[in-house]
Amino acid sequence: AAGVIQSPRHLIKEKRETATLKCYPIPRHDTVYWYQQGPGQDPQFLISFYEKMQSDKGSIPDRFSAQQFSDYHSELNMSSLELGDSALYFCASSRRTGNNSPLHFGNGTRLTVT
Amino acid sequence: GESVGLHLPTLSVQEGDNSIINCAYSNSASDYFIWYKQESGKGPQFIIDIRSNMDKRQGQRVTVLLNKTVKHLSLQIAATQPGDSAVYFCAENQGYGQNFVFGPGTRLSVLP
Repeated sequence: AAGVIQSPRHLIKEKRETATLKCYPIPRHDTVYWYQQGPGQDPQFLISFYEKMQSDKGSIPDRFSAQQFSDYHSELNMSSLELGDSALYFCASSRRTGNNSPLHFGNGTRLTVT
Repeated sequence: GESVGLHLPTLSVQEGDNSIINCAYSNSASDYFIWYKQESGKGPQFIIDIRSNMDKRQGQRVTVLLNKTVKHLSLQIAATQPGDSAVYFCAENQGYGQNFVFGPGTRLSVLP
């Protein structure tokens, strides 16, 4: 079965540079979530989109922005990168129905800021 | 790649024994809960879910128990196998359409 696809898998950037992470949800999933996971930490919610509109917002820095496109893929744009932004970034997707449905995660993008 | 959960609490069990992983959730209004398994270098993988109108749900070798009175969730794994070694997270959903909040993970280590 198709899973959530994230690209790139690894990314190395320098401080103050920008980065763009991409996420392709499972087909027919209409909701995309972004999470950040530091070493030894649980995933922290950043932002989510439902039908291309922002749905919920968590601890996403103002330096970051995201959007969901007409084909439901999503991009997380990160500017003025800081050393503390080094982390695993996960995208998850779900299909919002009348009941809650689980998030299905991609294998993440490992961002290293030097 | 770098291991997830370098400093997480660890539960060590003998292969073939049963494992119980516990989680205290934060919001009494949460109505949907999921257990995820995360292996090194991978994203969290869905194991089992439960809604707040239930107190027990069983899957293949796994059982989730929900105690809403004390806001406690547990994952029981029967006949633990080496492939079960991973970090386990509980996640709670605080309402329809809202995001999932993850609890602190537990590293399960299966001893031969």
